[in-house]
Amino acid sequence: KAGVTQTPRYLIKTRGQQVTLSCSPISGHRSVSWYQQTPGQGLQFLFEYFSETQRNKGNFPGRFSGRQFSNSRSEMNVSTLELGDSALYLCASSLWRETNMNTEAFFGQGTRLTVV
Amino acid sequence: GENVEQHPSTLSVQEGDSAVIKCTYSDSASNYFPWYKQELGKRPQLIIDIRSNVGEKKDQRIAVTLNKTAKHFSLHITETQPEDSAVYFCAARSFNNDMRFGAGTRLTVKP
Repeated sequence: KAGVTQTPRYLIKTRGQQVTLSCSPISGHRSVSWYQQTPGQGLQFLFEYFSETQRNKGNFPGRFSGRQFSNSRSEMNVSTLELGDSALYLCASSLWRETNMNTEAFFGQGTRLTVV
Repeated sequence: GENVEQHPSTLSVQEGDSAVIKCTYSDSASNYFPWYKQELGKRPQLIIDIRSNVGEKKDQRIAVTLNKTAKHFSLHITETQPEDSAVYFCAARSFNNDMRFGAGTRLTVKP
């Protein structure tokens, strides 16, 4: 069974630009979460989607947004990029916890975004 | 929301020794506590998890203990090997909330 797929793997953008990252979850998984990983900051929660609805949101500015499609694929968008947005962006998919005991989250390889 | 604190941030042990990483959480409704291992340049991968109805779980050299009253849980690695060197993350989640991670522990096992 295919794992979580994130595209692209690497991105270089200029300050002020916007970027869209994509995440395809494991087949059958309908919950997708996004995290920002920077050195020394661990995994910072961005948002979580289930059934095309944002269920939870972390403490990030409104420049960070996301959505989920009917096939459970998710995208996140960052507008007006800043140097500090340079990070590894990871998505994780899982079965929805309210209806499943097995709530293991599987991570994608991540998209490394560099803002110059 | 949930707040997870993890200690220590770095840990260095000799091969064959044990390593212990500790985490505390704030939301008493949290009921799922996974541990992830992230090797350099790779994605985090689940190594063990525990649910709130269990106090301890073991898988070969790895064990996790949970104290719901004190709201803390720990990862124990025995007979450490150089390939155990990685960053380890603890996390906590409840039915109503997303999964929140600790800041990570960089474990170095010296041969």
